[in-house]
Amino acid sequence: QSALTQPASVSGSPGQSITISCTGTNSIVGSYNLVSWYQQHPGKAPKLMIYEGSKRPSGVSNRFSGSKSGNTASLTISGLQAEDEADYHCCSYAGSSVVFGGGTKLTVL
Amino acid sequence: EVQLVQSGAEVKKTGESLKISCRGSEYSFTRYWIAWVRQMPGKGLEWMGIIYPGDSETRYSPSFQGQVTISADKSINTAYLQWSSLKASDTAMFYCARVRLVVTGAEILYFDYWGQGTLVTVSS
Repeated sequence: QSALTQPASVSGSPGQSITISCTGTNSIVGSYNLVSWYQQHPGKAPKLMIYEGSKRPSGVSNRFSGSKSGNTASLTISGLQAEDEADYHCCSYAGSSVVFGGGTKLTVL
Repeated sequence: EVQLVQSGAEVKKTGESLKISCRGSEYSFTRYWIAWVRQMPGKGLEWMGIIYPGDSETRYSPSFQGQVTISADKSINTAYLQWSSLKASDTAMFYCARVRLVVTGAEILYFDYWGQGTLVTVSS
C-alpha cells in the first residue's frame, strides 16, 4: 500500500471539472509544496503536469491546476476534454525517498 | 529539446542478466540526476533509484536496494539499469526520467522529462 492514497477512478463529462485527490502524511504532503502530478495515456510514458504543488510546466494547458489542503494534494481539470482521459499519478519526495500514489484512472464519459 | 532515449524491448529467461540504457541529449547530462521507475503490468509507478551522472552518486529505494544496479557513463551521456539474475516478477515497463531537485527550505523533487520506456519480459 502506497504512502500516497489516490482514488482508483474518477469520471466526468466533457466540459465539467473533476478533482483527483492525493492524501499522505504531513511529512510527504502537508509540510511543503512537494507534490507533482503526471498524466499517462495508455502505452505512453508519463508526462509532468504539475510540480511544486501548483506550478505548470510550459506547454501544459491552464485547465490543469494543483492545490493542497492539509495533508491532501489535489489535481483539478476544468473544461474536461476527451483527450484528458488517462491515468494520473501523484508523487512526493521526503526523507530522500520518492513515493508515488497508486494512480487514478480518469474516464471522460 | 531535451530527450531521453531508452534501449529496446527485451525478452529474457529467468536467471539471465540484463542491462538497459537511457541516453540523454540536448542538455548537460552531468548536471541532472536521472531516475529509474518501474511500472508492472496494469499497476502504478514505483521509484527504483536515482543517479547523478556527474559523480555517479546513487540512491536506491529500499524496495530495490540489492535487487538492481544503477550506473552511468557520462562520456556517452547514458544511464543504465541492470540485473544480475532476472526473475519472472521483473517483468515490467521501465522508464528513465530526468530529475529536477530544488532546495527551497525543503528538498523538492520531480521528473520533468521521461524516456519512452523499455519493456522487459522475463519467462521461464
